[in-house]
Amino acid sequence: NAGVTQTPKFRILKIGQSMTLQCTQDMNHNYMYWYRQDPGMGLKLIYYSVGAGITDKGEVPNGYNVSRSTTEDFPLRLELAAPSQTSVYFCASSYGDSAGTQYFGPGTRLLVL
Amino acid sequence: AQTVTQSQPEMSVQEAETVTLSCTYDTSESNYYLFWYKQPPSRQMILVIRQEAYKQQNATENRFSVNFQKAAKSFSLKISDSQLGDTAMYFCAFMKLMNRDDKIIFGKGTRLHILP
Repeated sequence: NAGVTQTPKFRILKIGQSMTLQCTQDMNHNYMYWYRQDPGMGLKLIYYSVGAGITDKGEVPNGYNVSRSTTEDFPLRLELAAPSQTSVYFCASSYGDSAGTQYFGPGTRLLVL
Repeated sequence: AQTVTQSQPEMSVQEAETVTLSCTYDTSESNYYLFWYKQPPSRQMILVIRQEAYKQQNATENRFSVNFQKAAKSFSLKISDSQLGDTAMYFCAFMKLMNRDDKIIFGKGTRLHILP
């Protein structure tokens, strides 16, 4: 199993540009999450999904959108990039059986200039 | 709302020493999970250890163990015989049990340096 994979690893965006961060998991997990990690800080939840077709907002959803058309994929969309979105983005997944353990991808570093 | 506090932003210890990372949390829940995640320079988040609040016995994983004090809402991580590969950010995290969305709340982290 590859686990949770994310692409790209690093991206520079200009203000106002759009992009999609890709996340795929091959563990047949129902639950998937997007976090952002600002320098020197812990992770903050952006959006999450408890299954295909179901998404919900986390703590910091503004400026982002998600979709979940399949169990495996959970892309994160930035429509109008702003400098405040410069961060490292992590995707995670879990079984969702309240066992609690989340499996993380390697992260995407995004720089908005 | 639940909060997780890590009061040590940064720590350094010599290789082979034992080090303890502190974590306190605030919740009105009686059943929940607590975690320690490790984030090495590669940035990957790796689960180190997990504790169910309803279990009195402290969790252990090889050189890693926790001191879980439920009444004090304290959850410290002890690393024995520290190794250079233990150098990383360590995040304490909380999750409510039987929570439909499995949302985890992270502390701000402790940066641990293991010195040769």
